[in-house]
Amino acid sequence: EVQLLESGGGLVQPGGSLRLSCVASGFTFSNYAMSWVRQAPGKGLEWVSGISGSGGPTHYADSVKGRFTISRDNSKDILYLQMNSLRPDDTAVYFCAKRERGGSTAVAGAFDYWGQGTLVTVSS
Amino acid sequence: DIQMTQSPSSLSASGGDRVTITCRASQTISRFLNWYQQKPGKAPKLLIFDTSFLQSGVPSRFSGSGSGTDFTLTINSLQPEDFATYYCQQSFSTPLTFGGGTKVEIK
Repeated sequence: EVQLLESGGGLVQPGGSLRLSCVASGFTFSNYAMSWVRQAPGKGLEWVSGISGSGGPTHYADSVKGRFTISRDNSKDILYLQMNSLRPDDTAVYFCAKRERGGSTAVAGAFDYWGQGTLVTVSS
Repeated sequence: DIQMTQSPSSLSASGGDRVTITCRASQTISRFLNWYQQKPGKAPKLLIFDTSFLQSGVPSRFSGSGSGTDFTLTINSLQPEDFATYYCQQSFSTPLTFGGGTKVEIK
């Protein structure tokens, strides 16, 4: 059974940093691109960042480019999101999501499994 | 960036109704269009990928169609568990983008 479990969310002051983690199980982690998708309170879904299965190509939304860094440890089956220079509009539930199709370097795709999400609140 | 526009943003329907939600892309995305269902406090659930392929375990009352820039999600014979918010998402290119959502409520 595929499982994705996020952690690392919490309350942080503007300008601060957080690192989110997503522990994966139930599939060959290194074969699949992964993404982070966020949802501000009462709002829609926003893709944040994606990374290929090998950790090679990475992609970011313009809203986080230069502030967030996605990475993965395929030896531990963990996806990360390092978030720096946080702003109040980064407040959201952050989901990790698995690409539906594996075996390529492509990041773009549908997401067939999602974690339960971790809440990040940026406020003074 | 490719903008995804969903309509309507909300609708009221009764059990047994047929519901249609549309999604329009700001440029052609071939058939790289996916649909998700989300219930309050839960993660989104993939319903349909690549315009018309039903994800495993999703009831056949859900169907998708379209190509290029215009796409449709249809729910035949709405069931109580279908009241939720639905999102389209383009997977043609990064940055990946979602539509604004359609909330399906009970009439």
